[in-house]
Amino acid sequence: GAGVSQSPSNKVTEKGKDVELRCDPISGHTALYWYRQSLGQGLEFLIYFQGNSAPDKSGLPSDRFSAERTGGSVSTLTIQRTQQEDSAVYLCASRFPGLPYNEQFFGPGTRLTVL
Amino acid sequence: QQQVKQSPQSLIVQKGGISIINCAYENTAFDYFPWYQQFPGKGPALLIAIRPDVSEKKEGRFTISFNKSAKQFSLHIMDSQPGDSATYFCAVSYGQNFVFGPGTRLSVLP
Repeated sequence: GAGVSQSPSNKVTEKGKDVELRCDPISGHTALYWYRQSLGQGLEFLIYFQGNSAPDKSGLPSDRFSAERTGGSVSTLTIQRTQQEDSAVYLCASRFPGLPYNEQFFGPGTRLTVL
Repeated sequence: QQQVKQSPQSLIVQKGGISIINCAYENTAFDYFPWYQQFPGKGPALLIAIRPDVSEKKEGRFTISFNKSAKQFSLHIMDSQPGDSATYFCAVSYGQNFVFGPGTRLSVLP
């Protein structure tokens, strides 16, 4: 079946503009994560959605970042008034939490470049 | 924030050699220890994972060694191949929480 998909694959924007990044998780995966990966760095947790529960937003770096998940499926990460330090690869992952020790399945990421 | 330390930052190995990457964690509550492999332009993909009730898990050329008392675990890649050249991330997990190490860039020379 289809894996996690993300769009766009690349996004170049100007400083101060808003951007929206999209994630389509694997069907049936109720858990969805967003991570940020800066050049040569590890994965920085941003936000976690689980079903209809309130999301865990503890990793969002500032109030310019927000995310929503509609209908328990597709998620959109929005960055307002982008800054150059927002340039990174944004990764989405989904997971079926019904069983213990379940892996996360990652999408290919969206590479964001803020000029 | 919980921290996972990973070493080395980069590793160069000759084809056929053994690649060893180490990770250390702090919180004993973690109960799932996966390793992810990431190729350029791709998202990370699960390579192998271990639970704390075993000390070693082997899948093909890849082995995880786990030392619960030392709060350390390592990835061993036997007979390393140029196709193994990638970035490797260890992670620790408890429930829905995942914390990733900073990654190790492995280059296997032909």
